[in-house]
Amino acid sequence: EVQLVQSGAEVKKPGESLKISCTASGYIFTTYWIGWVRQMPGKGLEWMGLIYPGDSDTRYNPSFKGQVTISADKSISTMYLQWSSLKASDTAMYYCARRGVCGGRDRCEWFDPWGQGTLVTVSS
Amino acid sequence: EIVMTQSPASLSVSPGEGATLSCWASQRISSNLAWYQQKRGQAPRLLIYGASTRATGTPARFSGSGSGTEFTLTISSLQSEDFAVYYCQQYNNWPPSITFGQGTRLEIK
Repeated sequence: EVQLVQSGAEVKKPGESLKISCTASGYIFTTYWIGWVRQMPGKGLEWMGLIYPGDSDTRYNPSFKGQVTISADKSISTMYLQWSSLKASDTAMYYCARRGVCGGRDRCEWFDPWGQGTLVTVSS
Repeated sequence: EIVMTQSPASLSVSPGEGATLSCWASQRISSNLAWYQQKRGQAPRLLIYGASTRATGTPARFSGSGSGTEFTLTISSLQSEDFAVYYCQQYNNWPPSITFGQGTRLEIK
């Protein structure tokens, strides 16, 4: 069974740094794109970026480029989302999700499965 | 950026009735559209991809249709567990420029 397990909730102050994680199991981590999706309180879903752990090729939503860093450690099948200086507006639930199985389709950037989410609260 | 617009924003339906949710893309996206269900306090769950292909475990009462710019998710005979927020998502381009609709909240009448 493919599973994504995320690190626990975080409470941080503005200006602090943070790295949250998503650990994959049940498939070959290096052969699927995997990414992050943000959900601000009471709001919808926003795609942040994707990484291919096999070669660390990373693609960002322009809205998030320079604001966060996505990385992966293939030795432990784990993807990360990192902030160097948090803002109150970073308060949100963050989900990791794996790209779909293409099966011959040209495009397969739907997300399945999803992690359980990591709630990040930034408050002074 | 391709903008995805869902309608209605919310929908009240009685259990046993059907529901039709709509999603429009600001540009043609072929059939590169997925639907997700999100229950309160849970992560989203993939229902449909390729506009009309049910994901593993998606009940047959869920069906997706459309291509180009207009898409529909139809739920026949609503069950209590179907009341949730539904999102559409396009994935037409590479390099990726993935966008979601704003969601439709399906409520019990």
